[in-house]
Amino acid sequence: DGGITQSPKYLFRKEGQNVTLSCEQNLNHDAMYWYRQDPGQGLRLIYYSQIVNDFQKGDIAEGYSVSREKKESFPLTVTSAQKNPTAFYLCASSMGLRSEAFFGQGTRLTVV
Amino acid sequence: GQNIDQPTEMTATEGAIVQINCTYQTSGFNGLFWYQQHAGEAPTFLSYNVLDGLEEKGRFSSFLSRSKGYSYLLLKELQMKDSASYLCAVFTDMRFGAGTRLTVKP
Repeated sequence: DGGITQSPKYLFRKEGQNVTLSCEQNLNHDAMYWYRQDPGQGLRLIYYSQIVNDFQKGDIAEGYSVSREKKESFPLTVTSAQKNPTAFYLCASSMGLRSEAFFGQGTRLTVV
Repeated sequence: GQNIDQPTEMTATEGAIVQINCTYQTSGFNGLFWYQQHAGEAPTFLSYNVLDGLEEKGRFSSFLSRSKGYSYLLLKELQMKDSASYLCAVFTDMRFGAGTRLTVKP
């Protein structure tokens, strides 16, 4: 089945460690996005990519990095520079900016 | 840049109708989307408006006025399972409003 997959669903890391969250889609979508969601809050855009080998910062990019080497994949690295990384991370993809986005099931990251 | 505003919380009764408003200010516009998100889950797509007017989809309808920077989501015949957050997004660059948390009571 076509879809967008995030792994793992739950992730625990020690403070000071970098961690990479996976996002893979087989929908042949050009655009991919990463969001952060804190409890009771809305979605905040971290990074987005409209095409392979290109990406733009969102509203809260500091402490995060991404790559888009393949159309299907858009991994997010949460670096040690991110002061408060514990959150729910959502990846999404769409055909383009005028198209509905499909979301993965999210990764809940806890840094202890 | 853009600014998207929604009420934070709303409460309604099972079987009733509720309207969730969304106002936006944006430097560009190419569509407004509504998503539903149950607690702890990923958002799911509900509707998409690119032209002024009403789009109907079963119990859900969405309205758009581009000149007023205003949209609403209308939910009819409310069910308990409709208790969720409802997010609007103006897709100049995939940014979302903070969402409206709807509680449906018996």
